[in-house]
Amino acid sequence: RKEVEQDPGPFNVPEGATVAFNCTYSNSASQSFFWYRQDCRKEPKLLMSVYSSGNEDGRFTAQLNRASQYISLLIRDSKLSDSATYLCVVNEDNNDMRFGAGTRLTVKP
Amino acid sequence: NAGVTQTPKFQVLKTGQSMTLQCAQDMNHNSMYWYRQDPGMGLRLIYYSASEGTTDKGEVPNGYNVSRLNKREFSLRLESAAPSQTSVYFCASSDRGATGELFFGEGSRLTVL
Repeated sequence: RKEVEQDPGPFNVPEGATVAFNCTYSNSASQSFFWYRQDCRKEPKLLMSVYSSGNEDGRFTAQLNRASQYISLLIRDSKLSDSATYLCVVNEDNNDMRFGAGTRLTVKP
Repeated sequence: NAGVTQTPKFQVLKTGQSMTLQCAQDMNHNSMYWYRQDPGMGLRLIYYSASEGTTDKGEVPNGYNVSRLNKREFSLRLESAAPSQTSVYFCASSDRGATGELFFGEGSRLTVL
């Protein structure tokens, strides 16, 4: 079983739609959680950290459920520019981040 | 602000050849990392350096060596390249280890024939 699992998609949604991604992790001792965004043939970039209480940044909302060991990302009012691959990242210990394989999102006009 | 710079961006090798991927960061970060990314898989940690003068193995270290030359530079060496090492390699740095944001270079696309 992979340490960090994501639905690979692709998710194809129209502009303005709301879309949600989930990610499960296997290590219950994991402490830090992140969502990264990766555009095609580019490097990953931090989208947002995920806090225990949940957090929101504009159209993006991240949630953490420790009991069920998953994190989620909700994107409201999708824009064409949101098309990318979203990587779930879990910190296993101080120097080991585990990456999910990513969920591909395409937002269509 | 250059951030993390890695070279070369593209490289084609024959099986058995050696090469070094170079990485430099100008953000004064203590921690530096080398990852590889393969289709359908997440980024996997090859080696990391928590601080100048230290290096440690990650998830997939076999076939690689690293050098933390100074605080800025962290190189990855393939001594005898194999087709299984065909991948995209990313260097990253962080000021708070794996609890903080990772800043990535643009990636190096390596093909081993």
